[in-house]
Amino acid sequence: GQNIDQPTEMTATEGAIVQINCTYQTSGFNGLFWYQQHAGEAPTFLSYNVLDGLEEKGRFSSFLSRSKGYSYLLLKELQMKDSASYLCAVRVHSNYQLIWGAGTKLIIKP
Amino acid sequence: EAQVTQNPRYLITVTGKKLTVTCSQNMNHEYMSWYRQDPGLGLRQIYYSMNVEVTDKGDVPEGYKVSRKEKRNFPLILESPSPNQTSLYFCASSFGDEQFFGPGTRLTVL
Repeated sequence: GQNIDQPTEMTATEGAIVQINCTYQTSGFNGLFWYQQHAGEAPTFLSYNVLDGLEEKGRFSSFLSRSKGYSYLLLKELQMKDSASYLCAVRVHSNYQLIWGAGTKLIIKP
Repeated sequence: EAQVTQNPRYLITVTGKKLTVTCSQNMNHEYMSWYRQDPGLGLRQIYYSMNVEVTDKGDVPEGYKVSRKEKRNFPLILESPSPNQTSLYFCASSFGDEQFFGPGTRLTVL
């Protein structure tokens, strides 16, 4: 079957760095996505990795290791507005279908 | 403004009373999808459509119907809603890697 695992909840301090991990076991792989979702709102796209390595986008970076079935999202210089859930999703085939993890709720404390 | 719209945003209804949640996108995207989101379960796909008149079941299609008569619209129909369909529903559309989500419809079935 298809399986994506993320921690349920994490807590970090404003100004610090946090790493949110995602592991996946899927029947195929055609890219891994990270989305941010504030409470009660729609998910919004953060990043996309299809090749191994690190993709950096401002304060956010995403890493992928296909051989290990592993990704992480790194958030630097945390701000209170980063308090949200972070969703990991895998595209299994070369279409638009995504398999979603349950999400990691990130709580930022002052 | 490029967007996905959903209506209604909030709905409280009773068991067995047919309802339709509308979804419309103005980006000329071919792919559209419906998800439900429940605590601890993440996003689960209900139905998706690769183009006009082409629809297919996702992971949790029971109790739902969809249609895609024109590219921009993808309504979700609950013929006889039941309490276990109480959830937060998202419509999404996509052309490339990123999925664009509507604002969500919070449905309560009593």
